[in-house]
Amino acid sequence: DIVMTQGALPNPVPSGESASITCQSSKSLLYSDGKTYLNWYLQRPGQSPHLLIYWMSARTSGVSDRFSGSGSGTDFTLRISRVEAEDVGVYYCQQFLEFPYTFGAGTKLELK
Amino acid sequence: EVKLLESGGGLVQPGGSMRLSCAASGFTFTDFYMNWIRQPAGKAPEWLGFIRNKANGYTTEYSPSVKGRFTISRDNTQNMLYLQMNILRVEDTATYYCARDMDAWGQGASVTVSS
Repeated sequence: DIVMTQGALPNPVPSGESASITCQSSKSLLYSDGKTYLNWYLQRPGQSPHLLIYWMSARTSGVSDRFSGSGSGTDFTLRISRVEAEDVGVYYCQQFLEFPYTFGAGTKLELK
Repeated sequence: EVKLLESGGGLVQPGGSMRLSCAASGFTFTDFYMNWIRQPAGKAPEWLGFIRNKANGYTTEYSPSVKGRFTISRDNTQNMLYLQMNILRVEDTATYYCARDMDAWGQGASVTVSS
């Protein structure tokens, strides 16, 4: 299975500051079609996860442009600019290159 | 508006069976892959498998962790997705979500496996 490893945040993050969440995969997620098979999700407290970013850098409809995804084949970053109260929760990266699809352990964002 | 509503969760004894349902609305059901994902309390989600769309013959894929015990099916006339779970273990205790193409998730159904 592809292992997804997420970094921690130096919580709490001051409101209005930026935050970067890292994720590393044990195998390159860049496929021969030129796409990188990586998703990012946010799970707010008491809610189900919802998709923020797909194909490593494409924002889902309705997601704020304060969220941006970047990376290479194995190292990825989700950047949140001007952190707000609604950004609080746990962020997960997930690969969908190979079965079984696998998630990272999650990165918690707390607001100061 | 896309809506996914899981039902059928509850308490079951180890070795027992349970079927979860997911009612879908707000989109053309047959156009989409439908997934099941579970999440133990306080842990990361775990993808269980999916059933493909009409264009791809409604075939299925499973995680090795549940292959042979869990079965995903769909009723395209009723816009329903199902997860049949057999030989349940204590470690199957989790909140179970259905998801359309991973871009829309339901609110989840709680399953507890305990004697």
